[in-house]
Amino acid sequence: QLQLQESGPGLVKPSETLSLTCTVSGDSISSSTHYWGWIRQPPGKGLEWIGNFFYSGSTYYNPSLKSRVTISVDTSKNQFSLKLKSVTAADTAVYYCARRGRYCIGSSCYPDVERWGQGTLVTVSS
Amino acid sequence: QAVVTQEPSLTVSPGGTVTLTCGSSTGVVTTSLYPYWFQQKPGQAPRTLIYDTSNKDSWTPARFSGSLRGGKAALTLSGAQPEDEAEYYCLLSYGSALGVFGGGTKLTVL
Repeated sequence: QLQLQESGPGLVKPSETLSLTCTVSGDSISSSTHYWGWIRQPPGKGLEWIGNFFYSGSTYYNPSLKSRVTISVDTSKNQFSLKLKSVTAADTAVYYCARRGRYCIGSSCYPDVERWGQGTLVTVSS
Repeated sequence: QAVVTQEPSLTVSPGGTVTLTCGSSTGVVTTSLYPYWFQQKPGQAPRTLIYDTSNKDSWTPARFSGSLRGGKAALTLSGAQPEDEAEYYCLLSYGSALGVFGGGTKLTVL
């Protein structure tokens, strides 16, 4: 059964870099046909897509965050990571990792259910 | 970047029917935007309710259905139950971004 677990510091100082890791079990990122990604939710607010990647393809970022975000993959640990630099209080949010609702076989892609982790709260404060 | 719009809040009576909608600033919502609906209860992660306009996840109760209506994606709840009180988010996929969420609809069953 697919499980995703976010981990990382719960408190980050302003201007520093937020770093989170998503550990995946029940599927292999490197052999998966699915997209994977990060979504966040500020306290009491709505959802915001951060970025997605397809292991054997491209990475896509929210244009509003693109200059500060990097998503990377560690296939040896079946993990993927999020780095968000130069954080401010506006980056305080619950961060979710997810297996996204699209899988691709060859040149064809298909919609699918999304599976998310439980999320981790990251607070930006001095 | 496109803006996805939802009703901020709706109220339905127990046993009643309600329709939530999801619009796009780019125009008519079609199946090519692969509309998703997520349900989120307090303190929990969102979970897929409907994907690809009208397909249900394995846990989705039969009383929920997805469609296109009036140029928007629609989520209809027929026979509302108290446990359906939650926040509902739609998601539209513009290209490979898989990426724009609506602001959410807070559904009250009262």
